[in-house]
Amino acid sequence: DIQMTQSPSSLSASVGDRVTITCRASQDISNYLAWYQQKPGKVPKLLIYAASTLQSGVPSRFSGSGSGTDFTLTISSLQPEDVATYYCQKYNIAPWTFGQGTKVEIK
Amino acid sequence: EVQLVESGGGLVQPGGSLRLSCEASGFTFSSYAMSWVRQAPGKGLEWVSGISGSGGSTYYADSVKGRFTISRDNSKNTLYLQMNSLRAEDTALYYCAKDAIRGVIPSYFDYWGQGSLVTVSS
Repeated sequence: DIQMTQSPSSLSASVGDRVTITCRASQDISNYLAWYQQKPGKVPKLLIYAASTLQSGVPSRFSGSGSGTDFTLTISSLQPEDVATYYCQKYNIAPWTFGQGTKVEIK
Repeated sequence: EVQLVESGGGLVQPGGSLRLSCEASGFTFSSYAMSWVRQAPGKGLEWVSGISGSGGSTYYADSVKGRFTISRDNSKNTLYLQMNSLRAEDTALYYCAKDAIRGVIPSYFDYWGQGSLVTVSS
């Protein structure tokens, strides 16, 4: 099975900082990658699909890039409401594996 | 408005069984694949099982294959997860998730239920 590895596992940044999270697939998954945000105690929310397409209603400070095995989620200017754990998920073939998550906190 | 409401969770002894249900509304249920995703306390998301819109194709994570069975009743707009031979490591919040794309196989998920808690303990 294809493994999804996120880095870092956690990060702390200041409001207004540019934040980048990386997701690496153990095999080529083309652009079959989604990103989710899960705020504490809440349900996961879809942010990005097809590696770089922003889901409707998601603020434009979120962006995704990458193809093949290496992907990134970028928050261009971190806001207090962005405190959450972020997960990548591959969806080219079964199983539909998630990364282990990256916890984002405010410094 | 899309709504997914899970039910059926609870406390069960190791080796026991439970059936989760997810009642869907606000979309054409039979047109979308559906999945179950779980989250153990304090841990990350784990995809568990998925099913095509017709119910003809099912998919399982290795961790539950042979113990869990996913099914759906499109006449009742309801998704099910029959869980047998439960283990302590199956303890988690189980989410029902709707696929974002009209298609045969699961992909990514645009709507999630609030989850149903399953606790496996003696």
